Amino acid sequence: AQSVTQLGSHVSVSEGALVLLRCNYSSSVPPYLFWYVQYPNQGLQLLLKYTSAATLVKGINGFEAEFKKSETSFHLTKPSAHMSDAAEYFCAVEDNQGGKLIFGQGTELSVKP
Amino acid sequence: DAGVIQSPRHEVTEMGQEVTLRCKPISGHNSLFWYRQTMMRGLELLIYFNNNVPIDDSGMPEDRFSAKMPNASFSTLKIQPSEPRDSAVYFCASSFTVVEQFFGPGTRLTVL
Repeated sequence: AQSVTQLGSHVSVSEGALVLLRCNYSSSVPPYLFWYVQYPNQGLQLLLKYTSAATLVKGINGFEAEFKKSETSFHLTKPSAHMSDAAEYFCAVEDNQGGKLIFGQGTELSVKP
Repeated sequence: DAGVIQSPRHEVTEMGQEVTLRCKPISGHNSLFWYRQTMMRGLELLIYFNNNVPIDDSGMPEDRFSAKMPNASFSTLKIQPSEPRDSAVYFCASSFTVVEQFFGPGTRLTVL
């Protein structure tokens, strides 16, 4: 079965610093991959998705992620953190049996002034 | 587009009472998902429907939980009887394909 591992349940960065949130998946076949963001007291919102086109995927709010098959990784980055980026971020992979997404445990991002 | 609509947004009930959560998916979407989110267990998929048919209910915790989708525009998640450990935020999501799921704002359930 597919699985997703997000390294680090909490990440703290300073405003203006690089954001790097790590995600590794388990799959022998390149899957569809997603990053979602959840702001406090809200539902999850899609940031970006990889669907076997370009390996570097650009999303909303300046985020991007790079699919690396050799490393089975799909890390999320943003060059310069903003206070409004403070939220929980979830990596997800399409289940190889189809029909649903497998979510990681989430990474809470804090941004210090 | 109104997005996925969930009601109520907040529910406080007493142990033993029946709770019904409601979801209206985005028009045209053919898959609907119910999730539960807690601090301890994170985000869990409870059940999902495709074309109104339950496909995978392996995440439903026990027989006290049931879900229905009588038509393409409405689904319910029922807990009977409710217990304090059911306290969580329950999300509904819909999609046209699995490529992107759209989440509702959630229902925060508190069982006293």
